[in-house]
Amino acid sequence: EAGVAQSPRYKIIEKRQSVAFWCNPISGHATLYWYQQILGQGPKLLIQFQNNGVVDDSQLPKDRFSAERLKGVDSTLKIQPAKLEDSAVYLCASTPYTGTGNTGELFFGEGSRLTVL
Amino acid sequence: AQTVTQSQPEMSVQEAETVTLSCTYDTSESNYYLFWYKQPPSRQMILVIRQEAYKQQNATENRFSVNFQKAAKSFSLKISDSQLGDTAMYFCAFMRAGTYKYIFGTGTRLKVLA
Repeated sequence: EAGVAQSPRYKIIEKRQSVAFWCNPISGHATLYWYQQILGQGPKLLIQFQNNGVVDDSQLPKDRFSAERLKGVDSTLKIQPAKLEDSAVYLCASTPYTGTGNTGELFFGEGSRLTVL
Repeated sequence: AQTVTQSQPEMSVQEAETVTLSCTYDTSESNYYLFWYKQPPSRQMILVIRQEAYKQQNATENRFSVNFQKAAKSFSLKISDSQLGDTAMYFCAFMRAGTYKYIFGTGTRLKVLA
Protein backbone atom coordinates (compact mmCIF):
# COMPACT_ATOMS: atom_id res chain seq x y z
CA GLU A 1 0.00 0.00 0.00
CA ALA A 2 1.46 3.37 -0.98
CA GLY A 3 2.01 5.86 1.82
CA VAL A 4 1.16 9.54 2.05
CA ALA A 5 2.94 11.37 -0.78
CA GLN A 6 4.11 14.95 -0.48
CA SER A 7 5.93 17.29 -2.84
CA PRO A 8 8.18 19.11 -3.08
CA ARG A 9 10.43 17.79 -0.32
CA TYR A 10 12.38 21.04 -0.14
CA LYS A 11 11.64 24.59 -1.20
CA ILE A 12 13.61 27.81 -0.75
CA ILE A 13 11.91 31.11 -1.55
CA GLU A 14 12.33 34.80 -0.85
CA LYS A 15 9.92 36.51 1.54
CA ARG A 16 6.77 37.81 -0.14
CA GLN A 17 6.94 35.07 -2.77
CA SER A 18 4.37 32.31 -3.01
CA VAL A 19 4.69 28.55 -2.62
CA ALA A 20 2.39 25.55 -2.94
CA PHE A 21 2.65 22.11 -1.41
CA TRP A 22 0.85 19.03 -2.60
CA CYS A 23 -0.31 15.97 -0.71
CA ASN A 24 -1.81 12.70 -1.85
CA PRO A 25 -3.12 10.68 1.10
CA ILE A 26 -3.40 6.93 1.34
CA SER A 27 -6.20 5.70 -0.89
CA GLY A 28 -9.53 5.64 0.90
CA HIS A 29 -8.47 7.84 3.80
CA ALA A 30 -11.33 10.24 4.50
CA THR A 31 -9.56 12.62 6.84
CA LEU A 32 -6.56 14.71 5.80
CA TYR A 33 -4.49 17.11 7.89
CA TRP A 34 -1.90 19.78 7.24
CA TYR A 35 0.46 20.45 10.13
CA GLN A 36 3.19 23.05 10.50
CA GLN A 37 6.27 21.89 12.39
CA ILE A 38 8.72 24.59 13.33
CA LEU A 39 12.20 23.38 14.27
CA GLY A 40 12.25 22.06 17.83
CA GLN A 41 8.48 22.09 18.22
CA GLY A 42 5.64 19.62 17.85
CA PRO A 43 3.29 19.61 14.89
CA LYS A 44 0.67 22.34 14.94
CA LEU A 45 -2.59 21.76 13.08
CA LEU A 46 -3.27 24.18 10.25
CA ILE A 47 -6.31 22.56 8.68
CA GLN A 48 -8.30 19.34 8.86
CA PHE A 49 -10.46 18.02 6.03
CA GLN A 50 -13.01 15.25 6.09
CA ASN A 51 -13.57 14.17 2.51
CA ASN A 52 -13.61 17.55 0.73
CA GLY A 53 -15.08 19.57 3.60
CA VAL A 54 -13.16 21.61 6.15
CA VAL A 55 -13.53 20.36 9.73
CA ASP A 56 -11.14 22.75 11.44
CA ASP A 57 -9.14 25.66 10.08
CA SER A 58 -9.12 27.76 13.22
CA GLN A 59 -5.32 28.00 13.32
CA LEU A 60 -4.80 28.65 9.61
CA PRO A 61 -3.54 32.22 8.99
CA LYS A 62 -6.14 32.89 6.36
CA ASP A 63 -4.65 36.18 5.24
CA ARG A 64 -1.76 34.27 3.69
CA PHE A 65 -2.49 30.55 3.83
CA SER A 66 -5.09 28.66 1.83
CA ALA A 67 -5.81 24.99 1.34
CA GLU A 68 -8.15 22.89 -0.70
CA ARG A 69 -8.92 19.23 -1.11
CA LEU A 70 -10.26 18.52 -4.54
CA LYS A 71 -12.79 15.70 -4.85
CA GLY A 72 -11.90 14.51 -1.36
CA VAL A 73 -8.59 13.04 -2.48
CA ASP A 74 -5.38 15.05 -2.84
CA SER A 75 -4.82 18.45 -1.31
CA THR A 76 -2.83 21.63 -1.89
CA LEU A 77 -1.58 24.08 0.73
CA LYS A 78 -0.59 27.53 -0.53
CA ILE A 79 1.25 30.37 1.16
CA GLN A 80 1.10 33.83 -0.40
CA PRO A 81 2.94 36.00 0.47
CA ALA A 82 5.45 34.06 2.55
CA LYS A 83 7.05 35.51 5.69
CA LEU A 84 10.30 34.57 7.39
CA GLU A 85 8.38 32.92 10.23
CA ASP A 86 6.76 30.50 7.77
CA SER A 87 10.05 28.58 7.58
CA ALA A 88 9.04 25.13 8.79
CA VAL A 89 8.28 21.60 7.73
CA TYR A 90 4.75 21.18 6.43
CA LEU A 91 3.44 17.74 7.23
CA CYS A 92 0.49 16.08 5.59
CA ALA A 93 -1.24 13.23 7.40
CA SER A 94 -4.30 11.10 6.79
CA THR A 95 -6.43 8.61 8.61
CA PRO A 96 -9.07 6.20 7.37
CA TYR A 97 -11.20 6.42 10.42
CA THR A 98 -14.38 8.38 10.79
CA GLY A 99 -16.86 8.43 13.60
CA THR A 100 -16.54 7.23 17.16
CA GLY A 101 -15.08 3.96 18.32
CA ASN A 102 -11.92 4.04 16.24
CA THR A 103 -8.46 4.70 17.55
CA GLY A 104 -7.37 6.96 14.72
CA GLU A 105 -3.76 6.22 13.86
CA LEU A 106 -2.31 9.05 11.79
CA PHE A 107 -0.24 8.25 8.71
CA PHE A 108 2.26 10.95 7.85
CA GLY A 109 4.08 11.94 4.71
CA GLU A 110 7.77 12.79 4.74
CA GLY A 111 7.02 16.51 4.87
CA SER A 112 7.90 19.55 2.79
CA ARG A 113 10.66 21.70 4.24
CA LEU A 114 10.23 25.40 3.49
CA THR A 115 12.97 27.96 3.95
CA VAL A 116 12.00 31.60 3.55
CA LEU A 117 14.93 34.00 3.05
CA ALA B 1 -8.58 22.99 26.39
CA GLN B 2 -6.32 19.98 26.35
CA THR B 3 -2.56 20.32 26.68
CA VAL B 4 0.30 17.88 26.32
CA THR B 5 3.63 18.45 28.05
CA GLN B 6 6.94 16.73 27.43
CA SER B 7 9.43 18.05 29.93
CA GLN B 8 12.54 16.33 28.59
CA PRO B 9 13.81 18.12 25.46
CA GLU B 10 16.72 15.71 25.01
CA MET B 11 17.77 12.35 26.37
CA SER B 12 20.45 9.82 25.64
CA VAL B 13 20.81 6.14 26.43
CA GLN B 14 23.41 3.48 25.86
CA GLU B 15 22.62 0.79 23.35
CA ALA B 16 20.85 -2.20 24.96
CA GLU B 17 19.78 -0.19 28.01
CA THR B 18 16.32 1.00 29.00
CA VAL B 19 15.04 4.56 28.81
CA THR B 20 11.77 6.20 29.85
CA LEU B 21 10.31 9.28 28.19
CA SER B 22 7.79 11.34 30.13
CA CYS B 23 4.53 12.89 29.05
CA THR B 24 1.79 14.58 31.03
CA TYR B 25 -1.49 15.89 29.74
CA ASP B 26 -4.41 17.89 30.95
CA THR B 27 -8.01 17.18 30.05
CA SER B 28 -11.45 17.03 31.58
CA GLU B 29 -12.53 14.36 29.12
CA SER B 30 -13.01 10.73 30.17
CA ASN B 31 -12.84 9.05 26.78
CA TYR B 32 -9.67 9.68 24.84
CA TYR B 33 -6.61 8.14 23.26
CA LEU B 34 -2.94 8.73 23.83
CA PHE B 35 -0.17 8.06 21.35
CA TRP B 36 3.57 8.01 21.05
CA TYR B 37 4.94 8.86 17.62
CA LYS B 38 8.53 8.50 16.44
CA GLN B 39 10.12 10.87 13.92
CA PRO B 40 13.55 9.63 12.75
CA PRO B 41 15.90 12.22 11.26
CA SER B 42 14.61 13.31 7.82
CA ARG B 43 12.04 10.55 7.79
CA GLN B 44 8.31 10.38 8.28
CA MET B 45 6.61 10.20 11.61
CA ILE B 46 5.26 6.79 12.54
CA LEU B 47 3.08 5.47 15.33
CA VAL B 48 4.94 3.65 18.08
CA ILE B 49 2.16 2.79 20.49
CA ARG B 50 -1.33 3.92 21.51
CA GLN B 51 -3.40 3.66 24.66
CA GLU B 52 -7.14 3.86 25.06
CA ALA B 53 -8.09 5.75 28.22
CA TYR B 54 -10.81 3.32 29.23
CA LYS B 55 -8.39 0.40 29.26
CA GLN B 56 -6.62 -0.19 32.57
CA GLN B 57 -3.95 -2.41 31.04
CA ASN B 58 -0.84 -0.67 29.79
CA ALA B 59 -0.17 -1.07 26.07
CA THR B 60 2.94 -2.90 24.87
CA GLU B 61 4.47 -3.31 21.43
CA ASN B 62 7.58 -5.48 21.45
CA ARG B 63 10.33 -3.39 23.14
CA PHE B 64 7.99 -0.44 23.70
CA SER B 65 5.60 -0.17 26.61
CA VAL B 66 3.74 2.61 28.36
CA ASN B 67 2.98 3.45 31.96
CA PHE B 68 -0.47 5.01 31.84
CA GLN B 69 -1.53 6.68 35.07
CA LYS B 70 -4.98 8.10 34.35
CA ALA B 71 -5.53 9.82 37.68
CA ALA B 72 -2.14 11.49 37.49
CA LYS B 73 -2.62 12.24 33.76
CA SER B 74 0.73 10.72 32.99
CA PHE B 75 1.71 8.65 29.96
CA SER B 76 5.36 7.62 29.84
CA LEU B 77 7.07 5.51 27.18
CA LYS B 78 9.60 2.86 28.12
CA ILE B 79 12.01 1.59 25.49
CA SER B 80 13.78 -1.61 26.48
CA ASP B 81 16.96 -2.95 24.87
CA SER B 82 17.52 0.36 23.08
CA GLN B 83 18.82 0.12 19.53
CA LEU B 84 20.65 2.66 17.36
CA GLY B 85 17.56 2.81 15.15
CA ASP B 86 15.57 4.18 18.06
CA THR B 87 17.39 7.49 17.67
CA ALA B 88 14.62 9.95 16.82
CA MET B 89 12.27 12.64 18.05
CA TYR B 90 9.43 11.19 20.09
CA PHE B 91 6.11 12.99 20.33
CA CYS B 92 3.33 12.33 22.77
CA ALA B 93 -0.16 13.07 21.42
CA PHE B 94 -3.71 13.26 22.75
CA MET B 95 -6.98 12.76 20.91
CA ARG B 96 -10.46 13.09 22.37
CA ALA B 97 -12.49 10.12 21.19
CA GLY B 98 -14.51 10.76 18.08
CA THR B 99 -12.94 14.12 17.24
CA TYR B 100 -9.85 13.08 15.28
CA LYS B 101 -8.19 16.23 16.54
CA TYR B 102 -4.71 15.58 17.82
CA ILE B 103 -2.67 17.65 20.21
CA PHE B 104 1.06 17.03 20.17
CA GLY B 105 3.69 17.72 22.78
CA THR B 106 6.92 19.52 21.95
CA GLY B 107 8.87 16.30 21.63
CA THR B 108 11.85 14.58 23.20
CA ARG B 109 14.98 14.06 21.14
CA LEU B 110 16.39 10.63 21.99
CA LYS B 111 19.89 9.61 21.05
CA VAL B 112 21.01 6.02 21.40
CA LEU B 113 24.75 5.77 21.93
CA ALA B 114 26.86 2.88 20.65
